[in-house]
Amino acid sequence: QIQLVQSAGGVVQPGASLRLSCAASGFPFSGYAMHWVRLAPGGGLQWVATISHDGRSQHYPDSVQGRFTISRDNSKNTLYLQMSSLRLEDTAVYYCTNSGYDSPWNIDYWGQGSLVTVSS
Amino acid sequence: QSALTQPPSASGSPGQSVTISCTGTSSDVGGYNYVSWYQRHPGKAPKLIIYEIYKRPSGVPNRFSGSRSGTTASLTVSGLQTEDEADYYCGSYGGNYNLVFGGGTKLTVL
Repeated sequence: QIQLVQSAGGVVQPGASLRLSCAASGFPFSGYAMHWVRLAPGGGLQWVATISHDGRSQHYPDSVQGRFTISRDNSKNTLYLQMSSLRLEDTAVYYCTNSGYDSPWNIDYWGQGSLVTVSS
Repeated sequence: QSALTQPPSASGSPGQSVTISCTGTSSDVGGYNYVSWYQRHPGKAPKLIIYEIYKRPSGVPNRFSGSRSGTTASLTVSGLQTEDEADYYCGSYGGNYNLVFGGGTKLTVL
């Protein structure tokens, strides 16, 4: 079955960096776009980043553009999110997701989540 | 503030039906068929229950149905069961390689 197993998050100070990883199994990882989505305390879901199946293109919302980098290693079936210059408002549970149903814009399975807390 | 607008709460008794709305614009919900709904129980990861407006993934009960009218998508849960109590989120392709989501609706089964 499809599994997305994420690394633990962490507690960091504002301005710090943190990298999340997501190990995928149960589907042909290299054939699917992948996403990171976060859920802030008391808030809704927010899209964080998207990467194409081959890693050649990445997309971000303005809120993280220039600070976050999504990448993938198809030889290891692993997705990454490098976060830098973290802000208080980046505090959230971060989920990696795959895409499905023949479109990169259909989010299908979700990882278990990684709690990132940015606090001074 | 979320891009898509959902009511913060909804409720119904077991066996009843409840509908949750998700209002966007012609640039997202009204402009693309990539509208999805996700169910999230406390402490768990979201689960896809509707994609492309009305399609159900394998294993999702047909009590869950989706529709769209203009720039508003809707999720209807028929024959409410206690296990349906959860948070529900809508999402849509927003054009220009981005995704947008709603703020979530807490469904209470009375």
